[in-house]
Amino acid sequence: SQTIHQWPATLVQPVGSPLSLECTVEGTSNPNLYWYRQAAGRGLQLLFYSVGIGQISSEVPQNLSASRPQDRQFILSSKKLLLSDSGFYLCAWAGTESQPQHFGDGTRLSIL
Amino acid sequence: GQNIDQPTEMTATEGAIVQINCTYQTSGFNGLFWYQQHAGEAPTFLSYNVLDGLEEKGRFSSFLSRSKGYSYLLLKELQMKDSASYLCAVIEGNYQLIWGAGTKLIIKP
Repeated sequence: SQTIHQWPATLVQPVGSPLSLECTVEGTSNPNLYWYRQAAGRGLQLLFYSVGIGQISSEVPQNLSASRPQDRQFILSSKKLLLSDSGFYLCAWAGTESQPQHFGDGTRLSIL
Repeated sequence: GQNIDQPTEMTATEGAIVQINCTYQTSGFNGLFWYQQHAGEAPTFLSYNVLDGLEEKGRFSSFLSRSKGYSYLLLKELQMKDSASYLCAVIEGNYQLIWGAGTKLIIKP
C-alpha cells in the first residue's frame, strides 16, 4: 500500500532563516505531488505541484520554492523566511489528476 | 470564475443526522471529493462523486447533482468523533482541483 511521509511535524524558525521541508511517498511510481499551506481556520492554498521529476508548477508567487529531485521526493524550500510564512504545510500525492489526493501528517511552521 | 460555497459552521446532536451542502461554479467538471479534517490534523479522503446520485459508505453518504452544481455530505448516527471540518473539492475541466473553505461541524452530546 502507498504511504506518504512528511517531516518535521513541528518547526520553529526565526525570521530570515532558511527552510527545507521534505516529503516522500512509498508504494507508487510517478505520483503527482503537491504542497499546500493552510492558515489557522482557513482553507487549503495550493503552493506547488509536480507531475514528474524536475517538473514544478507554482500557483502562488512568493519566497518559497519546490524541487523534485527524485520520483517520490518533494521538497519545499525558502532562502529567507517571513513572518507571513507561518502556517500548516501539507504534502499530498495522487495517482492522477482525477484521483483523490492523500495527505501527509503536515508540518506546523511557526516563524518568530 | 471558479467558486465553491459551504456553510462555515454547523452544529448537530450526537446520534442525529446532518447534511453539509456544497455548491460550486467551475469551468467544467470532472468529479467532486469530500474530505474530513480534524483540528490540527491533515485532511483524509471520504468520498468521490463523478456521476449524479448517491454514494453510500457506512454512516457517510455523498450526493451529486451536476446540473445544479450541488453536492451534499450526509452523516448519520453522529458520534462525538465526527466533530471536524469537512472540505468539498471539485476537479475542474482542466483537472485543476478547487477547494472549498470547509465546514466546521460541532457535535453536542
